[in-house]
Amino acid sequence: QQQVKQSPQSLIVQKGGISIINCAYENTAFDYFPWYQQFPGKGPALLIAIRPDVSEKKEGRFTISFNKSAKQFSLHIMDSQPGDSATYFCAATGGSEKLVFGKGTKLTVNP
Amino acid sequence: DTAVSQTPKYLVTQMGNDKSIKCEQNLGHDTMYWYKQDSKKFLKIMFSYNNKELIINETVPNRFSPKSPDKAHLNLHINSLELGDSAVYFCASSQGRTGVEQYFGPGTRLTVT
Repeated sequence: QQQVKQSPQSLIVQKGGISIINCAYENTAFDYFPWYQQFPGKGPALLIAIRPDVSEKKEGRFTISFNKSAKQFSLHIMDSQPGDSATYFCAATGGSEKLVFGKGTKLTVNP
Repeated sequence: DTAVSQTPKYLVTQMGNDKSIKCEQNLGHDTMYWYKQDSKKFLKIMFSYNNKELIINETVPNRFSPKSPDKAHLNLHINSLELGDSAVYFCASSQGRTGVEQYFGPGTRLTVT
């Protein structure tokens, strides 16, 4: 119930392509869904977040799509750049004080 | 700079020793967290304090003891270090108890030999 399942584990995309990372959850009490970006040797940084009252949120090249009925949400990175190469974590919280993280996706964008 | 800071960044020590990691945030947040990130990059909450009150205490060996002297500081003391404690420990902070919009520190890489 507390898990957030993230896929794929790793992703290789060419520069300019679209990167898509998917997450699924079971706990219907979750009401906040952030994505974090982590570069090697750094702490995770909040990238973008969504609440279930909207189906999509866009910030620059980053878009979260949210499907409440399917209990799934995804991160789309448009026009992926080598500087986007990092590990991305989805997460969820609601009904408790805990932020539950997915296991992460290592994104590599080739030049 | 407004941020979450941790010291030290690297900590190498031998089994059986006791060590502490310090965390400070100047974001004005009232909730602070400790996370452990293992070698597979999995992030797991350990503890959380809200205004110096412990609100999350996950299943963590009691060798780990957090202490919050004030809402801007959260320290982690580890007794009798074991090989399996080797990981990166992250401090984070947020405003309110709901767990949203957490800001992470740079991490402390602990290596137990």
